[in-house]
Amino acid sequence: IAGITQAPTSQILAAGRRMTLRCTQDMRHNAMYWYRQDLGLGLRLIHYSNTAGTTGKGEVPDGYSVSRANTDDFPLTLASAVPSQTSVYFCASSDFPATPTDTQYFGPGTRLTVL
Amino acid sequence: RKEVEQDPGPFNVPEGATVAFNCTYSNSASQSFFWYRQDCRKEPKLLMSVYSSGNEDGRFTAQLNRASQYISLLIRDSKLSDSATYLCVVNAGTGGFKTIFGAGTRLFVKA
Repeated sequence: IAGITQAPTSQILAAGRRMTLRCTQDMRHNAMYWYRQDLGLGLRLIHYSNTAGTTGKGEVPDGYSVSRANTDDFPLTLASAVPSQTSVYFCASSDFPATPTDTQYFGPGTRLTVL
Repeated sequence: RKEVEQDPGPFNVPEGATVAFNCTYSNSASQSFFWYRQDCRKEPKLLMSVYSSGNEDGRFTAQLNRASQYISLLIRDSKLSDSATYLCVVNAGTGGFKTIFGAGTRLFVKA
């Protein structure tokens, strides 16, 4: 593994189903993030974790939950998917605390369609 | 008003042209600034950081104007491979959870 991996690459899901998006990084970054990207809206933060064992809510957390049991993994769960959760989901990681030049590294994304 | 605003474009330019993008931000406490590049159906990747003194990386020059709260990206001698979406990114603190991404400016470079 080099960098950040996400699974699945894409998924079509029936509304009401539960879904977990997986994210794993091997850079030993303390912080990890989940974003969704929708046309015209840019990247919006769903949840984040500054260190293993802690999580926080971002701009659009409703309908999503996360856990951070260890440094490497940061799964995102949709408990009961709705069509408005159709989006491209990106996982990212960075150092924390961050210096002014620290940046985020992104996984390849998961394209989720909820019907 | 959005915290980070960009002209969505698209900018359509011929190869060899010079093109510039601007981005404005609303939080005067913002501390760090970046340009990311995102290719179609790919993840965003860091293009360059933006410093108060400005910085240059080959054909790319980034500038920061704190007084007017905007940053800019200049691309000289555009290549076909520069076609992408350019995201303006602003961080208001020492945590990535304070990072705000602009919606992006699309650039198409034509032969």
